[in-house]
Amino acid sequence: AQRVTQPEKLLSVFKGAPVELKCNYSYSGSPELFWYVQYSRQRLQLLLRHISRESIKGFTADLNKGETSFHLKKPFAQEEDSAMYYCALGSGNQFYFGTGTSLTVIP
Amino acid sequence: DTEVTQTPKHLVMGMTNKKSLKCEQHMGHRAMYWYKQKAKKPPELMFVYSYEKLSINESVPSRFSPECPNSSLLNLHLHALQPEDSALYLCASSQRAAGEPGAQYFGPGTRLLVL
Repeated sequence: AQRVTQPEKLLSVFKGAPVELKCNYSYSGSPELFWYVQYSRQRLQLLLRHISRESIKGFTADLNKGETSFHLKKPFAQEEDSAMYYCALGSGNQFYFGTGTSLTVIP
Repeated sequence: DTEVTQTPKHLVMGMTNKKSLKCEQHMGHRAMYWYKQKAKKPPELMFVYSYEKLSINESVPSRFSPECPNSSLLNLHLHALQPEDSALYLCASSQRAAGEPGAQYFGPGTRLLVL
C-alpha cells in the first residue's frame, strides 16, 4: 500500500518566490516523518524531521495529522535549492519513501 | 566520524563475476540498511540489519547476499548479476535499532554497472 504520496514529480519556481513541496501519508499509528534532499551527484541528506520542528536552509515542514500531510515550505527559493526532494515515513522496521519531487529554481 | 562511507564508488562487473560492496559507519548506530536506487526513482529497501542480525529481507534475489561482520561494517556480496541490477546501491545507518523508527543517514553509494 502506498504510504507516502508526493503528487508533483517536477516543480519549477523563480528565484525569490515561495516554494511548497507536497507530501501526504497514510498511516494508522503515530508516524515519524522526514524530508530528504539529494543534490546532483551528492548523497541523500536528511533535511528535516518532524519531531525536531527545526528550520534547515530556510525550509520548514509542519505535520498536519488532520490532513495527513507534511508539506515542505520555504518563503524565498534560492538557485542552490534545485534538487530532488523525498518525503519519507518511518514505521517499525520500515522506511517508506515517496516518489520524489524534482525542484528547479529558475534564476 | 559522522559519515557513512561506501567503497567502491564505481563498479563494473560481468554477469559471471563475484564482487562485494562495503559500507562502514563509526557513529555507534545500531541498524544498517542496503537500498537500491534507479535513476530518478526513490531508494528501494533491500535488507535491514539490527544489532548485526538480519531483520528484513525484502524478497531480494539470492544473487545478492548481505553480511554484517560487526556493528560498524556492512557488506553486500554480488554474484551472477543481471544487467537490470545496474543501479546505485546505497547504505544507510540509524541510531535506533530497526523496530524503532529514526532518521537514516546515507552513504554516497556505489554505482554498479553489470555488463
